[in-house]
Amino acid sequence: DIQMTQSPSSLSASVGDRVTMTCRASQNINRLLNWYQQKPGKAPKLLIYAASRLQSGVSSRFSGSGSGTDFTLTISSLQPDDFAIYYCQQTYSTPQGTFGQGTKVEIK
Amino acid sequence: EVQLVESGGGLVRPGRSLRLTCSASGFTFGAYGMSWFRQAPGKGLEWVGFIRSKAYYGTTEYAASVQGRFTISRDDSRSIAYLHMDSPNTEDTAVYYCTRLTSKYVDFDVYYFDYWGQGTPVTVSS
Repeated sequence: DIQMTQSPSSLSASVGDRVTMTCRASQNINRLLNWYQQKPGKAPKLLIYAASRLQSGVSSRFSGSGSGTDFTLTISSLQPDDFAIYYCQQTYSTPQGTFGQGTKVEIK
Repeated sequence: EVQLVESGGGLVRPGRSLRLTCSASGFTFGAYGMSWFRQAPGKGLEWVGFIRSKAYYGTTEYAASVQGRFTISRDDSRSIAYLHMDSPNTEDTAVYYCTRLTSKYVDFDVYYFDYWGQGTPVTVSS
């Protein structure tokens, strides 16, 4: 099974900061990597698919990069609405979409 | 507007059965594979299982943790997907989400879960 590892597990940042988080796959998954945002009590929301493609309707301050085993999600200028947990997910072994354990973005 | 609405969750005794329903609208339900995920309290997201569209014979796949106990089915005429939980145990306590799997070609085939229901909570307890 493909394992996904996210780092850091949590981070503190201020509004306006540039924030970066990473996701590592246990094997080569090409670019079959998605990013989701989840707020308390809500379903996950798709932000990025295929490592770098912005889902329709999602703010352009979110961007993704990477391929193979190492991936990055960047928030260019953190907004109050962005405080949430962010999950990466591999779909190389679709339909088994394994998630990472999440990165919690908190207010500094 | 695409919508997925889960229902059927609640308190269930260990060993009893429960059926969750996912009602879809706003898209051609029969053309999509549908997945169930779950999230235990304070934990991350876990894939539960998947049912393909009828074009791919409606076949199913399951996580090892639920294989043989959970069954996914679909009724395309009513745009509904079901998750039937047999012999649940306390480790099955979670919020259950249904999702739509979208595939797309962008230089290569990509897959993502673009729409999620609001989730239905299941508590397995005696």
